[in-house]
Amino acid sequence: GAVVSQHPSRVICKSGTSVKIECRSLDFQATTMFWYRQFPKKSLMLMATSNEGSKATYEQGVEKDKFLINHASLTLSTLTVTSAHPEDSSFYICSARGEFGTDSGANVLTFGAGSRLTVL
Amino acid sequence: GDSVTQMEGPVTLSEEAFLTINCTYTATGYPSLFWYVQYPGEGLQLLLKATKADDKGSNKGFEATYRKETTSFHLEKGSVQVSDSAVYFCALSRNSGNTPLVFGKGTRLSVIA
Repeated sequence: GAVVSQHPSRVICKSGTSVKIECRSLDFQATTMFWYRQFPKKSLMLMATSNEGSKATYEQGVEKDKFLINHASLTLSTLTVTSAHPEDSSFYICSARGEFGTDSGANVLTFGAGSRLTVL
Repeated sequence: GDSVTQMEGPVTLSEEAFLTINCTYTATGYPSLFWYVQYPGEGLQLLLKATKADDKGSNKGFEATYRKETTSFHLEKGSVQVSDSAVYFCALSRNSGNTPLVFGKGTRLSVIA
């Protein structure tokens, strides 16, 4: 089945540094990937929609300059948290559509395992 | 806009008990409905889905039926196991291209032996 690989799974960094998280679709091409953020004991909040070859579409309230998203190829999207601060500590999850053509238009998304960012 | 409401947790059950996690949605048209499961320390995994009214999704003993008249997609399992302890998310998506999922807040289930 469709697999989405996310790396790193855990990262700890100092305040003020930047961190890059990669999301790869391993066995399918993903023209669109989604980035979510999950706060402790809360639901997933959609941050942005990443489109291959074009600018990402950010949700209201998400800082574009803080969370840089690049979708350079059909299998790779990256999220860079710039000048990270402790309040950016969270679990970040990417997803891409999988199971192409296997169902009657069901929009099934395959998720990466997530990246836990801790900013000291 | 579209939204998903699911029962607040945490839910604590004894092994072999019956499980119901309620989920209702608000959306125009006919969205697809999903249940995702997140085990401790892991990402989300698709548990089951339904794409049209009266469809029943099932997997690993879990079931949910797409009820258009009550806009519900309640998750059920007849006999839970300790290994079912996880957070369960109800979600919906429009069947139009690469649209993102809208999630409920999640329900944490703890099953004790």
